[in-house]
This record gives sequence, C-alpha cells and structure tokens, in this order.
Amino acid sequence: NAGVTQTPKFRVLKTGQSMTLLCAQDMNHEYMYWYRQDPGMGLRLIHYSVGEGTTAKGEVPDGYNVSRLKKQNFLLGLESAAPSQTSVYFCASRTPGSPLHFGNGTRLTVT
Amino acid sequence: AQSVTQPDIHITVSEGASLELRCNYSYGATPYLFWYVQSPGQGLQLLLKYFSGDTLVQGIKGFEAEFKRSQSSFNLRKPSVHWSDAAEYFCAVGPYNTDKLIFGTGTRLQVFP
Repeated sequence: NAGVTQTPKFRVLKTGQSMTLLCAQDMNHEYMYWYRQDPGMGLRLIHYSVGEGTTAKGEVPDGYNVSRLKKQNFLLGLESAAPSQTSVYFCASRTPGSPLHFGNGTRLTVT
Repeated sequence: AQSVTQPDIHITVSEGASLELRCNYSYGATPYLFWYVQSPGQGLQLLLKYFSGDTLVQGIKGFEAEFKRSQSSFNLRKPSVHWSDAAEYFCAVGPYNTDKLIFGTGTRLQVFP
C-alpha cells in the first residue's frame, strides 16, 4: 500500500528554469492538494483539486500551475522558478469527510 | 480572522516525562480539529481528530487531546514521552470540508534520555 507518492524527492533548479512535481495516490481519493512548508510558517495551500479535470487556487497560488488529468495523479508545475519558491512541497489526498493523507515531500532549492 | 496559534516553537522534555502541546484557534463556525506529527524527512501523519461528541479524543501512539470550546483550545497530551516521539507537531483547524484547513506553525519536540 504505497499511499501518496511524490517524485522527485529532491531537486535543485536555477532561477528561471521550469519543472514539474508529480504526486500519485493509489487510494482512489477524490481530492488532492499541494502544500508548501516553510520554516515558521506551517503549511500553506498552493492549489487543490476536487476531482479529475478540476483544479482550484489555494492560499499561495502565484507562480505555480497544476493539472489533474487522471484521478490518481496531481501535477505541480513551476514555469519560471524563483528563489522564493525554495521550499518543501507536500502533496496530500483524501476522500470527502476524511483527514488528509500526506506524501513524504519534495525538497526544492532554487539558486 | 481564522487562525491557529501554537505558542511554543520548541519544547524539550526528558524521556518518561509528561507532555502538553498547546493549540489555540480562532474560527467562526464549528471547528474540526486535527493534530499531525511530522518526523524528519517525512510527511505529516494524523495523530487524532475531533469532529464532535466527547471532547477528549484518543489518538495513535498514546496521544490524546482535549477540546475546550470556552478556551478555544485543543491541546495535545501524552502522559509519558518516549524518545521516538521527537518530531514536529502541527495543529490544524478547518470546516468539515477540509479544503480550507489552516495549519499552525508547528512545535518541535526534543526528547532527552
């Protein structure tokens, strides 16, 4: 039972480069989320999806895009990375009315 | 404004000692409350949750939390801490639809032998 799997685990980008983070869940969850975690700030919601083909903005969506083409996958894209996007990114999923299940995170450094 | 406050950034306890981590919230509607734990390099794992009913809820790993509406608090407790409990703990509050879950800034627990 893999749960929520994030790839890659680590990544270093130069300013202006682009990349995509992949989140995959095998629990048939309807809802999926992308959070970023920064020291002293807890977790902040970037984007989320309540079903295949749907996405919505969270608290800090600027500079990120997402796609949910398949129910089990939720992609987070950075079109032009900035140092302010250096963070640890967490994906989570859930069914309606249930708590979140988190992946183990992706540590991104933008130089 | 809706918010979650964890007043203690860092707590150090001795193994075997009791533990209480504080969480205060500001929320306009009926709150649904959660405690998560994060071990180094790992994602967040749910310890316990409160939706309704008995205000003292039991969670995994011997943790419990008490919801006190009058104090807007949801403090996490454990009677005897183990070295493996060293981690970061997050309190969160939200509506039943947890798309709007608000996380506290976390409390880092250090355990000395």
